[in-house]
Amino acid sequence: KQEVTQIPAALSVPEGENLVLNCSFTDSAIYNLQWFRQDPGKGLTSLLLIQSSQREQTSGRLNASLDKSSGRSTLYIAASQPGDSATYLCAAYSGAGSYQLTFGKGTKLSVIP
Amino acid sequence: EAEVAQSPRYKITEKSQAVAFWCDPISGHATLYWYRQILGQGPELLVQFQDESVVDDSQLPKDRFSAERLKGVDSTLKIQPAELGDSAMYLCASSRAGKVVTADTQYFGPGTRLTVL
Repeated sequence: KQEVTQIPAALSVPEGENLVLNCSFTDSAIYNLQWFRQDPGKGLTSLLLIQSSQREQTSGRLNASLDKSSGRSTLYIAASQPGDSATYLCAAYSGAGSYQLTFGKGTKLSVIP
Repeated sequence: EAEVAQSPRYKITEKSQAVAFWCDPISGHATLYWYRQILGQGPELLVQFQDESVVDDSQLPKDRFSAERLKGVDSTLKIQPAELGDSAMYLCASSRAGKVVTADTQYFGPGTRLTVL
């Protein structure tokens, strides 16, 4: 059974700092990995999806990398802003047939002005 | 931009009552998912539909939960009777994946926050 772990559980940084969020998964036979953002009391917004054949994806100030062999993914946020404050969740797509997303518990990010 | 719609946004109910949640996926999306998210945890899949058919409901507590997607478009998730431990955010998501289920991007709705007293 796939298990996804995110470290740290919470992170507080000053505005302007670059930061890295970590995600690890136990079963390397994934189809892709997706990063989401969740604001308090809201649904999830998809940020980046990395196919299993890819090493990284970029969108604006966000860059996500994937290393299947080591079971790790990172989300890099450049020049953090207070509006980046949210919980960031990673999820691994695995399981033949139903292609289920298994989520981590998330990293709660606070960017201090 | 098309969005996944859910209603109600908030629901407060008493233990042993029945509750129902509704989801309207993005138009044309064949696959629909219901997730439950307990505070401080990641979402966990309850049921997955491909058009009107259930693909996976192995994590759905079938003694009290039921889900349907009769015409392969919108969907309803029901809990009867509700228990205190059912308090959570219920999220609906959809993806384009058609006849062949694939690992496609999932788009989430705003969720329904359920509180059971």
